[in-house]
Amino acid sequence: AQKVTQAQTEISVVEKEDVTLDCVYETRDTTYYLFWYKQPPSGELVFLIRRNSFDEQNEISGRYSWNFQKSTSSFNFTITASQVVDSAVYFCALSETNTGNQFYFGTGTSLTVIP
Amino acid sequence: GAGVSQTPSNKVTEKGKYVELRCDPISGHTALYWYRQSLGQGPEFLIYFQGTGAADDSGLPNDRFFAVRPEGSVSTLKIQRTERGDSAVYLCASKQGAETDTQYFGPGTRLTVL
Repeated sequence: AQKVTQAQTEISVVEKEDVTLDCVYETRDTTYYLFWYKQPPSGELVFLIRRNSFDEQNEISGRYSWNFQKSTSSFNFTITASQVVDSAVYFCALSETNTGNQFYFGTGTSLTVIP
Repeated sequence: GAGVSQTPSNKVTEKGKYVELRCDPISGHTALYWYRQSLGQGPEFLIYFQGTGAADDSGLPNDRFFAVRPEGSVSTLKIQRTERGDSAVYLCASKQGAETDTQYFGPGTRLTVL
């Protein structure tokens, strides 16, 4: 069973639009961590954010914001006023403390920002 | 400081050959991970080292795959008798070691088996 689901395979938006990338996860652990990574065309995975399961506060960092809701097992990522440089594949990942902290990645959402 | 480095960046080999992929983690990071990423997919876990020992190798697809980390720093992923299905990007990540830490990824090695 897929532990992390990113239902949106590809999204295209026009520059300056807001866009939300969805992430739904599945775990039986009470302690776990959720992550978002960006993978630009160069291929390197760039860390964006980490949340632990006990902290449901939403977080904002510049144009990025994250909405963590345990009730719906979701950890969505919103980019405000998108820019062409935001074009990349974005991965959501889950780390469970009972499995050696390996990451379970979703299949990624490819975001294209059109100028 | 320096990030995770991986060599080579690209490797083309023929079916049946043996390959070695190298990962140099961030200095001081005790935990090291190998992942495989196929086209259009997210990275898939292969193996995890804590120090010199493989703490979890449950992701290795079969016994043609093996990884070592003899001195607790650099790691080598070894693939014997390569098959065309092994073609993928192999990613390495490291973290300081505590369960709360974030994994930082290298640029990957793109392996192509002809």
